[in-house]
Amino acid sequence: DTGVSQNPRHKITKRGQNVTFRCDPISEHNRLYWYRQTLGQGPEFLTYFQNEAQLEKSRLLSDRFSAERPKGSFSTLEIQRTEQGDSAMYLCASSPKVRVGSEQYFGPGTRLTVT
Amino acid sequence: GIQVEQSPPDLILQEGANSTLRCNFSDSVNNLQWFHQNPWGQLINLFYIPSGTKQNGRLSATTVATERYSLLYISSSQTTDSGVYFCAGGSTLGRLYFGRGTQLTVWP
Repeated sequence: DTGVSQNPRHKITKRGQNVTFRCDPISEHNRLYWYRQTLGQGPEFLTYFQNEAQLEKSRLLSDRFSAERPKGSFSTLEIQRTEQGDSAMYLCASSPKVRVGSEQYFGPGTRLTVT
Repeated sequence: GIQVEQSPPDLILQEGANSTLRCNFSDSVNNLQWFHQNPWGQLINLFYIPSGTKQNGRLSATTVATERYSLLYISSSQTTDSGVYFCAGGSTLGRLYFGRGTQLTVWP
Protein backbone atom coordinates (compact mmCIF):
# COMPACT_ATOMS: atom_id res chain seq x y z
CA ASP A 1 0.00 0.00 0.00
CA THR A 2 1.70 3.18 -1.18
CA GLY A 3 1.51 6.29 0.95
CA VAL A 4 0.38 9.80 0.13
CA SER A 5 2.51 11.33 -2.60
CA GLN A 6 3.04 15.00 -3.41
CA ASN A 7 4.63 16.73 -6.38
CA PRO A 8 6.77 18.64 -6.76
CA ARG A 9 8.79 18.20 -3.57
CA HIS A 10 10.38 21.62 -3.94
CA LYS A 11 9.30 24.71 -5.83
CA ILE A 12 11.12 28.02 -6.14
CA THR A 13 9.16 30.78 -7.81
CA LYS A 14 9.29 34.52 -8.21
CA ARG A 15 6.79 36.75 -6.52
CA GLY A 16 3.72 37.23 -8.65
CA GLN A 17 3.92 33.86 -10.41
CA ASN A 18 1.27 31.15 -10.14
CA VAL A 19 2.13 27.71 -8.78
CA THR A 20 0.23 24.43 -8.63
CA PHE A 21 0.86 21.47 -6.37
CA ARG A 22 -0.50 17.95 -6.70
CA CYS A 23 -1.44 15.41 -4.05
CA ASP A 24 -2.24 11.75 -4.63
CA PRO A 25 -3.90 10.22 -1.58
CA ILE A 26 -3.74 6.63 -0.42
CA SER A 27 -5.99 4.66 -2.72
CA GLU A 28 -9.56 4.27 -1.45
CA HIS A 29 -9.13 7.11 1.06
CA ASN A 30 -12.04 9.37 0.30
CA ARG A 31 -10.99 12.24 2.58
CA LEU A 32 -8.19 14.59 1.59
CA TYR A 33 -6.75 17.52 3.54
CA TRP A 34 -4.35 20.36 2.81
CA TYR A 35 -2.24 22.00 5.54
CA ARG A 36 0.44 24.66 5.54
CA GLN A 37 3.46 24.73 7.86
CA THR A 38 5.76 27.68 8.39
CA LEU A 39 9.09 27.56 10.19
CA GLY A 40 8.79 26.81 13.91
CA GLN A 41 5.05 26.24 13.79
CA GLY A 42 2.78 23.26 13.65
CA PRO A 43 0.80 22.59 10.48
CA GLU A 44 -2.31 24.73 9.97
CA PHE A 45 -5.43 23.49 8.23
CA LEU A 46 -6.29 24.94 4.82
CA THR A 47 -9.07 22.86 3.33
CA TYR A 48 -10.72 19.43 3.28
CA PHE A 49 -12.44 17.27 0.65
CA GLN A 50 -14.70 14.31 1.00
CA ASN A 51 -14.65 12.66 -2.40
CA GLU A 52 -14.89 15.59 -4.84
CA ALA A 53 -16.79 17.90 -2.48
CA GLN A 54 -14.83 20.64 -0.70
CA LEU A 55 -16.47 20.61 2.71
CA GLU A 56 -14.43 23.06 4.74
CA LYS A 57 -12.08 25.96 4.06
CA SER A 58 -9.94 27.86 6.53
CA ARG A 59 -9.81 31.63 6.65
CA LEU A 60 -6.12 31.14 5.76
CA LEU A 61 -7.27 30.17 2.27
CA SER A 62 -7.40 33.61 0.69
CA ASP A 63 -8.89 34.38 -2.73
CA ARG A 64 -5.49 33.65 -4.29
CA PHE A 65 -5.70 30.02 -3.21
CA SER A 66 -7.88 27.42 -4.88
CA ALA A 67 -8.06 23.69 -4.38
CA GLU A 68 -9.79 21.05 -6.46
CA ARG A 69 -10.38 17.33 -6.39
CA PRO A 70 -12.27 16.85 -9.64
CA LYS A 71 -12.74 13.09 -9.68
CA GLY A 72 -12.44 12.38 -6.02
CA SER A 73 -8.93 11.00 -6.41
CA PHE A 74 -5.94 13.35 -6.67
CA SER A 75 -6.13 17.00 -5.65
CA THR A 76 -4.44 20.19 -6.77
CA LEU A 77 -3.70 23.34 -4.80
CA GLU A 78 -3.07 26.48 -6.83
CA ILE A 79 -1.67 29.73 -5.53
CA GLN A 80 -2.07 32.73 -7.80
CA ARG A 81 0.13 35.85 -7.69
CA THR A 82 2.44 34.35 -5.09
CA GLU A 83 3.74 36.52 -2.26
CA GLN A 84 6.79 36.04 -0.07
CA GLY A 85 4.48 35.20 2.82
CA ASP A 86 3.33 32.13 0.92
CA SER A 87 6.73 30.52 1.46
CA ALA A 88 6.01 27.43 3.52
CA MET A 89 5.73 23.66 3.47
CA TYR A 90 2.41 22.54 1.99
CA LEU A 91 1.28 19.20 3.36
CA CYS A 92 -1.41 16.89 2.10
CA ALA A 93 -3.08 14.16 4.14
CA SER A 94 -5.70 11.54 3.50
CA SER A 95 -7.91 9.38 5.65
CA PRO A 96 -10.52 6.70 5.16
CA LYS A 97 -14.14 7.41 5.87
CA VAL A 98 -15.13 5.66 9.06
CA ARG A 99 -18.07 6.22 11.33
CA VAL A 100 -16.32 7.32 14.51
CA GLY A 101 -12.90 8.76 13.73
CA SER A 102 -10.20 8.45 11.19
CA GLU A 103 -6.42 8.62 11.26
CA GLN A 104 -4.82 11.05 8.85
CA TYR A 105 -1.72 10.06 6.90
CA PHE A 106 0.56 12.75 5.55
CA GLY A 107 2.59 13.05 2.40
CA PRO A 108 6.19 14.29 2.24
CA GLY A 109 5.10 17.85 1.51
CA THR A 110 5.93 20.48 -1.10
CA ARG A 111 8.35 23.14 0.07
CA LEU A 112 7.58 26.47 -1.62
CA THR A 113 10.06 29.32 -1.69
CA VAL A 114 8.91 32.65 -3.13
CA THR A 115 11.76 34.99 -4.02
CA GLY B 1 -10.86 26.75 17.08
CA ILE B 2 -9.21 24.34 19.46
CA GLN B 3 -6.02 25.51 21.17
CA VAL B 4 -3.30 22.90 21.59
CA GLU B 5 -0.51 23.44 24.08
CA GLN B 6 2.56 21.22 23.99
CA SER B 7 5.23 21.00 26.66
CA PRO B 8 8.10 21.23 26.98
CA PRO B 9 8.96 23.20 23.82
CA ASP B 10 12.52 21.90 23.90
CA LEU B 11 14.02 18.79 25.48
CA ILE B 12 17.66 17.73 25.52
CA LEU B 13 18.52 14.22 26.68
CA GLN B 14 21.42 11.86 26.95
CA GLU B 15 21.01 8.61 25.06
CA GLY B 16 19.27 6.04 27.26
CA ALA B 17 17.18 8.54 29.23
CA ASN B 18 13.40 8.49 29.44
CA SER B 19 11.11 11.40 28.67
CA THR B 20 7.48 12.49 28.80
CA LEU B 21 5.87 14.93 26.38
CA ARG B 22 2.51 16.49 27.19
CA CYS B 23 -0.30 17.89 25.11
CA ASN B 24 -3.26 19.88 26.51
CA PHE B 25 -6.40 20.73 24.55
CA SER B 26 -8.74 23.66 25.15
CA ASP B 27 -11.77 21.59 24.16
CA SER B 28 -12.80 17.98 23.72
CA VAL B 29 -11.42 16.21 20.67
CA ASN B 30 -12.59 13.00 19.02
CA ASN B 31 -9.48 12.46 16.95
CA LEU B 32 -6.04 12.66 18.56
CA GLN B 33 -2.74 11.80 16.92
CA TRP B 34 0.97 11.99 17.77
CA PHE B 35 3.52 12.55 15.02
CA HIS B 36 7.29 12.65 14.64
CA GLN B 37 8.49 15.07 11.97
CA ASN B 38 11.68 13.92 10.31
CA PRO B 39 14.43 16.32 9.16
CA TRP B 40 12.92 16.40 5.67
CA GLY B 41 9.59 17.58 7.00
CA GLN B 42 7.53 14.41 6.68
CA LEU B 43 5.09 13.71 9.48
CA ILE B 44 5.38 10.13 10.65
CA ASN B 45 2.36 8.68 12.44
CA LEU B 46 3.19 7.45 15.93
CA PHE B 47 -0.20 6.93 17.55
CA TYR B 48 -3.87 7.43 16.84
CA ILE B 49 -5.16 7.65 20.41
CA PRO B 50 -8.41 9.52 21.13
CA SER B 51 -8.54 7.74 24.49
CA GLY B 52 -6.75 5.06 26.51
CA THR B 53 -3.19 3.79 26.35
CA LYS B 54 -1.16 2.29 23.52
CA GLN B 55 2.40 1.02 23.26
CA ASN B 56 4.69 0.53 20.31
CA GLY B 57 8.18 -0.61 21.24
CA ARG B 58 9.93 2.07 23.28
CA LEU B 59 7.09 4.52 22.73
CA SER B 60 3.78 4.63 24.51
CA ALA B 61 0.96 7.14 24.73
CA THR B 62 -1.91 7.83 27.09
CA THR B 63 -4.91 10.06 26.49
CA VAL B 64 -7.27 11.13 29.27
CA ALA B 65 -10.11 12.46 27.17
CA THR B 66 -12.22 13.70 30.10
CA GLU B 67 -9.33 15.95 31.20
CA ARG B 68 -8.33 16.90 27.67
CA TYR B 69 -4.69 15.90 27.72
CA SER B 70 -2.39 13.31 26.22
CA LEU B 71 1.10 12.11 27.12
CA LEU B 72 3.81 10.55 24.96
CA TYR B 73 6.47 8.49 26.72
CA ILE B 74 9.82 7.72 25.16
CA SER B 75 11.94 5.20 27.01
CA SER B 76 15.64 4.43 26.53
CA SER B 77 15.94 7.28 24.04
CA GLN B 78 18.23 6.95 21.02
CA THR B 79 19.82 9.57 18.80
CA THR B 80 17.40 8.58 16.04
CA ASP B 81 14.53 9.77 18.25
CA SER B 82 15.68 13.35 17.73
CA GLY B 83 13.31 15.65 15.90
CA VAL B 84 10.06 17.47 16.44
CA TYR B 85 7.08 15.74 18.02
CA PHE B 86 3.60 17.07 17.34
CA CYS B 87 0.25 16.23 18.81
CA ALA B 88 -2.92 17.12 16.98
CA GLY B 89 -6.61 16.80 17.70
CA GLY B 90 -9.87 17.58 16.07
CA SER B 91 -13.35 16.46 15.23
CA THR B 92 -14.21 13.15 13.64
CA LEU B 93 -14.92 14.77 10.30
CA GLY B 94 -12.26 17.25 9.42
CA ARG B 95 -9.39 19.39 10.40
CA LEU B 96 -6.67 18.61 12.89
CA TYR B 97 -5.42 21.34 15.23
CA PHE B 98 -1.70 21.05 15.89
CA GLY B 99 0.46 22.22 18.75
CA ARG B 100 3.75 24.01 18.18
CA GLY B 101 5.69 20.84 18.82
CA THR B 102 8.43 19.63 21.16
CA GLN B 103 11.96 19.75 19.75
CA LEU B 104 13.77 16.68 21.11
CA THR B 105 17.55 16.39 20.90
CA VAL B 106 19.20 13.16 22.04
CA TRP B 107 22.97 13.23 22.49
CA PRO B 108 25.13 10.09 22.30
